[in-house]
Amino acid sequence: NAGVTQTPKFQVLKTGQSMTLQCAQDMNHNSMYWYRQDPGMGLRLIYYSASEGTTDKGEVPNGYNVSRLNKREFSLRLESAAPSQTSVYFCASSEDGLGGNSPLHFGNGTRLTVT
Amino acid sequence: KNQVEQSPQSLIILEGKNCTLQCNYTVSPFSNLRWYKQDTGRGPVSLTIMTFSENTKSNGRYTATLDADTKQSSLHITASQLSDSASYICVVSAVGTGTASKLTFGTGTRLQVTL
Repeated sequence: NAGVTQTPKFQVLKTGQSMTLQCAQDMNHNSMYWYRQDPGMGLRLIYYSASEGTTDKGEVPNGYNVSRLNKREFSLRLESAAPSQTSVYFCASSEDGLGGNSPLHFGNGTRLTVT
Repeated sequence: KNQVEQSPQSLIILEGKNCTLQCNYTVSPFSNLRWYKQDTGRGPVSLTIMTFSENTKSNGRYTATLDADTKQSSLHITASQLSDSASYICVVSAVGTGTASKLTFGTGTRLQVTL
């Protein structure tokens, strides 16, 4: 009963380095999301995928790219990391989309520090 | 601008006592309101989801209320346990299409239950 699995759990990058955050869900959900959580702020949507092959920008997409590899997997890539991208990143999935009434199921996050 | 404000920011109560957390929102047009529990170092977990027509919903010792007229919600925790120590996040969904349907997250109330 894994739910949403994120890797890695922790990562330290130097400014300018790149990395990909991995996310997989085993609930057969159509919609998947990437959020970031910063101290004193609510979670903010980075990118959203309503179904395999589709992606849309959220509130804070600059500096990020995503790939919906298949129905299970949704990855987030930082091409050139900046200190402002230090944050906790959460992947989530849901049965229906942002306009629906089904809950989001979150992974346990990736804690990223950019020095 | 859509906003969700939660109070108090933090709260300490004795085990066995009840408590109530507040959420005020200005999200429009309203679709649903959600409460999530986030343990330290983990992703948020859904507690309740209420649509416009629902004014109360329970999940075990957690009871959420919604007053859509005053745009207020509360989360009542009965007979608190040490495991209730967590952040509680209020999330309000606005009606729209695709990514125009937006979830606005509050910053959370951090609850500590002590012996």
